[in-house]
Amino acid sequence: AQTVTQSQPEMSVQEAETVTLSCTYDTSESDYYLFWYKQPPSRQMILVIRQEAYKQQNATENRFSVNFQKAAKSFSLKISDSQLGDAAMYFCAYPGAQKLVFGQGTRLTINP
Amino acid sequence: EAGVTQFPSHSVIEKGQTVTLRCDPISGHDNLYWYRRVMGKEIKFLLHFVKESKQDESGMPNNRFLAERTGGTYSTLKVQPAELEDSGVYFCASSQVYRGEQYFGPGTRLTVT
Repeated sequence: AQTVTQSQPEMSVQEAETVTLSCTYDTSESDYYLFWYKQPPSRQMILVIRQEAYKQQNATENRFSVNFQKAAKSFSLKISDSQLGDAAMYFCAYPGAQKLVFGQGTRLTINP
Repeated sequence: EAGVTQFPSHSVIEKGQTVTLRCDPISGHDNLYWYRRVMGKEIKFLLHFVKESKQDESGMPNNRFLAERTGGTYSTLKVQPAELEDSGVYFCASSQVYRGEQYFGPGTRLTVT
């Protein structure tokens, strides 16, 4: 069974600084996606970024980028130029059979 | 295009009562999922529909939970009778592609007192 682990329950960063959220996963599959979702206080889960495992190039979406290390089964999220609106719970997720498998989440606080 | 909607946004009920949560997926999305997040814990899968058929309900906690998806459109999740440990946020998500990106609704916060 696939598992996803986020080892940082909480992180904080100064506004305009860069922060990296960690995620590791376990799977025996070779071709898959990985996702980072964001859940702000409004509670709406929003897809932040996705990575396709067969692509060696790390995905980037504006200020959000990933460091995907397939051999190490690591999928970290980097947020550059952090903004107050980035404050949220961040979940790493693996699309297993029939369902998304989520990590425990990391609560990100942005300090003004 | 309308997103995934859920109703109600918040429900407070007493132990032993019944509650029904509703989810309207994005039009055309055959895959519909229910998840739950109990306070402070990770998001857990409950079940997956493809159209009106249950593909996987391995995450349903017990037989107090009943999910339906009439006609392959909206879905309901009924909890009867509710227990204190059922409190949490219930998310619905839909996707067009199997194992593709899932689009989430805003969730229903259920509080059982």
